[in-house]
Amino acid sequence: AQTVTQSQPEMSVQEAETVTLSCTYDTSENNYYLFWYKQPPSRQMILVIRQEAYKQQNATENRFSVNFQKAAKSFSLKISDSQLGDTAMYFCAFLPNFGNEKLTFGTGTRLTIIP
Amino acid sequence: GAVVSQHPSWVICKSGTSVKIECRSLDFQATTMFWYRQFPKQSLMLMATSNEGSKATYEQGVEKDKFLINHASLTLSTLTVTSAHPEDSSFYICSARDLSGGAGDTQYFGPGTRLTVL
Repeated sequence: AQTVTQSQPEMSVQEAETVTLSCTYDTSENNYYLFWYKQPPSRQMILVIRQEAYKQQNATENRFSVNFQKAAKSFSLKISDSQLGDTAMYFCAFLPNFGNEKLTFGTGTRLTIIP
Repeated sequence: GAVVSQHPSWVICKSGTSVKIECRSLDFQATTMFWYRQFPKQSLMLMATSNEGSKATYEQGVEKDKFLINHASLTLSTLTVTSAHPEDSSFYICSARDLSGGAGDTQYFGPGTRLTVL
Protein backbone atom coordinates (compact mmCIF):
# COMPACT_ATOMS: atom_id res chain seq x y z
CA ALA A 1 0.00 0.00 0.00
CA GLN A 2 1.11 3.50 -0.73
CA THR A 3 1.51 6.21 1.87
CA VAL A 4 1.80 9.97 1.44
CA THR A 5 3.34 12.14 4.15
CA GLN A 6 3.05 15.87 4.54
CA SER A 7 5.18 16.84 7.50
CA GLN A 8 4.10 20.48 7.74
CA PRO A 9 0.62 20.78 9.27
CA GLU A 10 0.67 24.58 9.00
CA MET A 11 2.72 27.21 7.27
CA SER A 12 2.47 30.94 6.80
CA VAL A 13 4.30 33.35 4.53
CA GLN A 14 4.16 37.00 3.66
CA GLU A 15 2.41 38.00 0.48
CA ALA A 16 4.69 38.06 -2.57
CA GLU A 17 7.19 35.69 -0.98
CA THR A 18 7.98 32.17 -2.07
CA VAL A 19 6.96 29.11 -0.07
CA THR A 20 7.67 25.41 -0.47
CA LEU A 21 5.40 22.66 0.79
CA SER A 22 6.91 19.24 1.29
CA CYS A 23 5.53 15.84 0.40
CA THR A 24 7.10 12.42 0.54
CA TYR A 25 5.58 9.13 -0.46
CA ASP A 26 6.28 5.46 -0.24
CA THR A 27 5.57 3.02 -3.02
CA SER A 28 7.00 -0.01 -4.75
CA GLU A 29 5.49 1.06 -8.06
CA ASN A 30 7.62 2.50 -10.84
CA ASN A 31 4.88 4.18 -12.83
CA TYR A 32 2.51 6.54 -11.11
CA TYR A 33 1.16 10.07 -10.95
CA LEU A 34 1.48 12.73 -8.30
CA PHE A 35 -0.82 15.65 -7.70
CA TRP A 36 -1.16 18.73 -5.59
CA TYR A 37 -4.71 19.79 -4.81
CA LYS A 38 -5.75 23.02 -3.15
CA GLN A 39 -8.80 23.30 -0.87
CA PRO A 40 -9.65 26.94 -0.08
CA PRO A 41 -12.18 27.92 2.60
CA SER A 42 -14.98 27.18 0.14
CA ARG A 43 -13.83 23.53 0.43
CA GLN A 44 -13.82 23.04 -3.35
CA MET A 45 -10.90 20.78 -4.24
CA ILE A 46 -8.90 22.34 -7.07
CA LEU A 47 -6.16 20.65 -9.04
CA VAL A 48 -2.99 22.71 -8.79
CA ILE A 49 -0.43 20.62 -10.62
CA ARG A 50 0.16 17.11 -11.91
CA GLN A 51 3.35 15.13 -12.43
CA GLU A 52 3.91 11.89 -14.31
CA ALA A 53 6.59 9.81 -12.66
CA TYR A 54 8.20 8.74 -15.94
CA LYS A 55 8.88 12.37 -16.83
CA GLN A 56 12.08 13.76 -15.36
CA GLN A 57 11.11 17.33 -16.08
CA ASN A 58 9.41 19.07 -13.19
CA ALA A 59 5.87 20.23 -13.88
CA THR A 60 5.08 23.95 -13.76
CA GLU A 61 1.82 25.88 -13.85
CA ASN A 62 2.35 29.62 -13.77
CA ARG A 63 3.46 30.47 -10.20
CA PHE A 64 3.33 26.84 -9.12
CA SER A 65 6.14 24.38 -9.70
CA VAL A 66 7.24 21.09 -8.25
CA ASN A 67 10.56 19.56 -7.32
CA PHE A 68 10.11 15.89 -8.14
CA GLN A 69 12.87 13.63 -6.83
CA LYS A 70 11.87 10.10 -7.81
CA ALA A 71 14.74 8.31 -6.11
CA ALA A 72 14.09 10.16 -2.88
CA LYS A 73 10.31 9.79 -3.32
CA SER A 74 9.85 13.47 -2.75
CA PHE A 75 7.38 15.81 -4.42
CA SER A 76 7.48 19.36 -3.06
CA LEU A 77 5.37 22.26 -4.27
CA LYS A 78 6.82 25.74 -4.69
CA ILE A 79 4.54 28.74 -4.82
CA SER A 80 6.22 31.87 -6.13
CA ASP A 81 4.99 35.43 -5.63
CA SER A 82 2.37 34.16 -3.19
CA GLN A 83 -1.02 35.83 -3.26
CA LEU A 84 -3.79 36.12 -0.67
CA GLY A 85 -5.89 33.77 -2.76
CA ASP A 86 -3.33 31.05 -2.22
CA THR A 87 -4.51 30.70 1.37
CA ALA A 88 -5.87 27.15 1.55
CA MET A 89 -5.27 23.58 2.58
CA TYR A 90 -2.90 21.84 0.20
CA PHE A 91 -3.05 18.09 -0.28
CA CYS A 92 -0.44 15.96 -1.96
CA ALA A 93 -1.84 12.84 -3.65
CA PHE A 94 -0.52 9.66 -5.27
CA LEU A 95 -2.09 7.51 -7.98
CA PRO A 96 -0.65 4.26 -9.35
CA ASN A 97 -0.56 4.03 -13.13
CA PHE A 98 -2.59 0.85 -13.34
CA GLY A 99 -4.92 -1.38 -11.42
CA ASN A 100 -5.91 0.50 -8.30
CA GLU A 101 -7.41 3.79 -9.38
CA LYS A 102 -7.68 5.21 -5.92
CA LEU A 103 -5.95 8.40 -4.93
CA THR A 104 -3.96 8.30 -1.72
CA PHE A 105 -3.93 11.67 0.01
CA GLY A 106 -1.56 13.17 2.49
CA THR A 107 -2.85 14.79 5.66
CA GLY A 108 -2.57 18.28 4.20
CA THR A 109 -0.74 21.52 4.91
CA ARG A 110 -2.68 24.61 5.92
CA LEU A 111 -1.06 27.57 4.18
CA THR A 112 -1.82 31.13 5.22
CA ILE A 113 -0.66 34.09 3.17
CA ILE A 114 -0.17 37.13 5.35
CA PRO A 115 -0.95 40.55 3.84
CA GLY B 1 -10.61 21.65 -16.69
CA ALA B 2 -13.55 19.31 -16.35
CA VAL B 3 -16.46 20.38 -14.16
CA VAL B 4 -18.20 18.28 -11.55
CA SER B 5 -21.31 19.46 -9.72
CA GLN B 6 -22.98 18.27 -6.56
CA HIS B 7 -26.47 18.80 -5.27
CA PRO B 8 -27.44 19.84 -2.70
CA SER B 9 -24.58 21.91 -1.39
CA TRP B 10 -25.92 21.55 2.12
CA VAL B 11 -28.73 19.62 3.74
CA ILE B 12 -30.18 19.31 7.23
CA CYS B 13 -32.29 16.30 8.06
CA LYS B 14 -33.83 14.57 11.03
CA SER B 15 -32.37 11.43 12.50
CA GLY B 16 -33.79 8.32 10.84
CA THR B 17 -34.50 9.88 7.48
CA SER B 18 -32.65 9.26 4.22
CA VAL B 19 -30.77 11.82 2.20
CA LYS B 20 -29.71 11.62 -1.45
CA ILE B 21 -26.72 13.49 -2.83
CA GLU B 22 -26.19 13.83 -6.58
CA CYS B 23 -22.87 14.08 -8.37
CA ARG B 24 -22.79 15.08 -12.03
CA SER B 25 -20.03 15.43 -14.57
CA LEU B 26 -21.14 18.43 -16.60
CA ASP B 27 -18.94 18.42 -19.67
CA PHE B 28 -17.59 14.91 -19.85
CA GLN B 29 -18.62 11.31 -19.37
CA ALA B 30 -17.41 9.50 -16.29
CA THR B 31 -17.47 5.72 -16.10
CA THR B 32 -15.93 5.96 -12.65
CA MET B 33 -16.79 8.35 -9.86
CA PHE B 34 -15.56 8.42 -6.30
CA TRP B 35 -17.24 9.35 -3.04
CA TYR B 36 -15.24 10.81 -0.17
CA ARG B 37 -16.00 11.91 3.34
CA GLN B 38 -14.09 14.70 5.05
CA PHE B 39 -14.15 15.55 8.73
CA PRO B 40 -13.16 19.05 9.88
CA LYS B 41 -9.49 19.82 9.43
CA GLN B 42 -8.78 16.34 8.10
CA SER B 43 -7.93 14.81 4.78
CA LEU B 44 -10.35 13.11 2.42
CA MET B 45 -11.36 9.56 3.21
CA LEU B 46 -12.45 7.43 0.27
CA MET B 47 -15.77 5.75 0.93
CA ALA B 48 -16.45 3.98 -2.35
CA THR B 49 -15.78 3.81 -6.05
CA SER B 50 -18.88 4.17 -8.21
CA ASN B 51 -18.88 2.31 -11.52
CA GLU B 52 -21.40 3.04 -14.24
CA GLY B 53 -23.67 0.08 -14.82
CA SER B 54 -22.29 -2.04 -12.02
CA LYS B 55 -22.10 -2.25 -8.27
CA ALA B 56 -20.01 0.17 -6.31
CA THR B 57 -16.84 -0.93 -4.59
CA TYR B 58 -16.78 0.05 -0.95
CA GLU B 59 -13.73 0.68 1.20
CA GLN B 60 -13.17 -1.39 4.27
CA GLY B 61 -15.31 -0.25 7.16
CA VAL B 62 -17.90 1.55 5.04
CA GLU B 63 -21.39 0.11 5.37
CA LYS B 64 -22.76 -0.48 1.89
CA ASP B 65 -26.32 -0.79 3.17
CA LYS B 66 -26.06 2.57 4.87
CA PHE B 67 -24.38 4.42 2.03
CA LEU B 68 -26.15 3.37 -1.14
CA ILE B 69 -24.47 4.32 -4.38
CA ASN B 70 -26.11 4.27 -7.79
CA HIS B 71 -24.23 5.16 -10.97
CA ALA B 72 -27.11 5.05 -13.42
CA SER B 73 -25.57 6.99 -16.28
CA LEU B 74 -22.22 8.21 -17.54
CA THR B 75 -22.80 11.61 -16.00
CA LEU B 76 -24.61 10.91 -12.75
CA SER B 77 -23.82 9.09 -9.52
CA THR B 78 -25.91 9.32 -6.38
CA LEU B 79 -25.08 8.66 -2.75
CA THR B 80 -27.98 7.94 -0.43
CA VAL B 81 -27.38 8.04 3.29
CA THR B 82 -30.06 5.78 4.70
CA SER B 83 -31.49 6.10 8.19
CA ALA B 84 -29.15 8.95 8.92
CA HIS B 85 -27.85 9.54 12.42
CA PRO B 86 -25.94 12.47 13.91
CA GLU B 87 -22.65 10.63 13.49
CA ASP B 88 -23.23 10.67 9.72
CA SER B 89 -22.96 14.45 9.78
CA SER B 90 -20.00 15.33 7.63
CA PHE B 91 -18.80 16.88 4.39
CA TYR B 92 -19.25 14.55 1.43
CA ILE B 93 -17.29 15.10 -1.78
CA CYS B 94 -17.49 13.32 -5.10
CA SER B 95 -14.96 13.20 -7.89
CA ALA B 96 -14.84 11.91 -11.44
CA ARG B 97 -12.18 10.95 -13.91
CA ASP B 98 -12.26 12.57 -17.32
CA LEU B 99 -10.92 9.98 -19.74
CA SER B 100 -11.49 12.08 -22.85
CA GLY B 101 -8.40 14.18 -22.49
CA GLY B 102 -4.77 13.25 -22.21
CA ALA B 103 -4.83 13.26 -18.43
CA GLY B 104 -7.38 10.55 -17.79
CA ASP B 105 -5.72 9.82 -14.51
CA THR B 106 -6.79 13.16 -13.09
CA GLN B 107 -9.76 13.34 -10.76
CA TYR B 108 -11.93 16.44 -10.73
CA PHE B 109 -13.89 17.19 -7.61
CA GLY B 110 -17.36 18.45 -6.91
CA PRO B 111 -17.90 21.35 -4.51
CA GLY B 112 -19.05 19.05 -1.72
CA THR B 113 -22.21 18.57 0.31
CA ARG B 114 -22.45 19.43 3.97
CA LEU B 115 -24.81 17.05 5.75
CA THR B 116 -26.12 17.82 9.20
CA VAL B 117 -28.27 15.23 10.93
CA LEU B 118 -30.27 16.50 13.89
